[in-house]
Amino acid sequence: RKEVEQDPGPFNVPEGATVAFNCTYSNSASQSFFWYRQDCRKEPKLLMSVYSSGNEDGRFTAQLNRASQYISLLIRDSKLSDSATYLCVVNGWGYQKVTFGTGTKLQVIP
Amino acid sequence: NAGVTQTPKFQVLKTGQSMTLQCAQDMNHEYMSWYRQDPGMGLRLIHYSVGAGITDQGEVPNGYNVSRSTTEDFPLRLLSAAPSQTSVYFCASSPRTSGSRGDEQFFGPGTRLTVL
Repeated sequence: RKEVEQDPGPFNVPEGATVAFNCTYSNSASQSFFWYRQDCRKEPKLLMSVYSSGNEDGRFTAQLNRASQYISLLIRDSKLSDSATYLCVVNGWGYQKVTFGTGTKLQVIP
Repeated sequence: NAGVTQTPKFQVLKTGQSMTLQCAQDMNHEYMSWYRQDPGMGLRLIHYSVGAGITDQGEVPNGYNVSRSTTEDFPLRLLSAAPSQTSVYFCASSPRTSGSRGDEQFFGPGTRLTVL
């Protein structure tokens, strides 16, 4: 089993739709969790951290379920500019324990 | 601030050649790292550094060397390039040195390397 798993997609959704991605992780001792966004042929950029209590930033909501070992990202009212690949990142103890998922591709269509 | 810069943006090498990928950051971050990104594999950690003079291996260190003589610079050296090292290389930096929690990483624009 991979340490961090994501559905590669693509998720093709119309503008205005709500879309959700999940990311599962295998190490129950994982410490911190993030969602990064990566545009085609560009570098990853932090979208949001994921806290145990869940957190929201505008149209984006991230949640952590430690019992089931997954994190989620919900995007409401999708925009064309949301089209990108969304990377899940799980950190363990120590800087070498940073694990990236392979990403979920989102395509928002007019 | 320029953030994290990488040079070159593109490079083509022949098998057996050596080269150095440059990475610099002007944010006074202690932590720097090198990743490679391959289709279907996600980003994989090659080497990292928690401060000047301190480096350590990541998940895929073979064939690569690093050094960290200053806080700003973290070059990655390919000793003898192989086709398996064809990839996109990203350098990243992060502001904290605490290894117990991850913090936001700032990535450079990447170097696209092809080894023939």
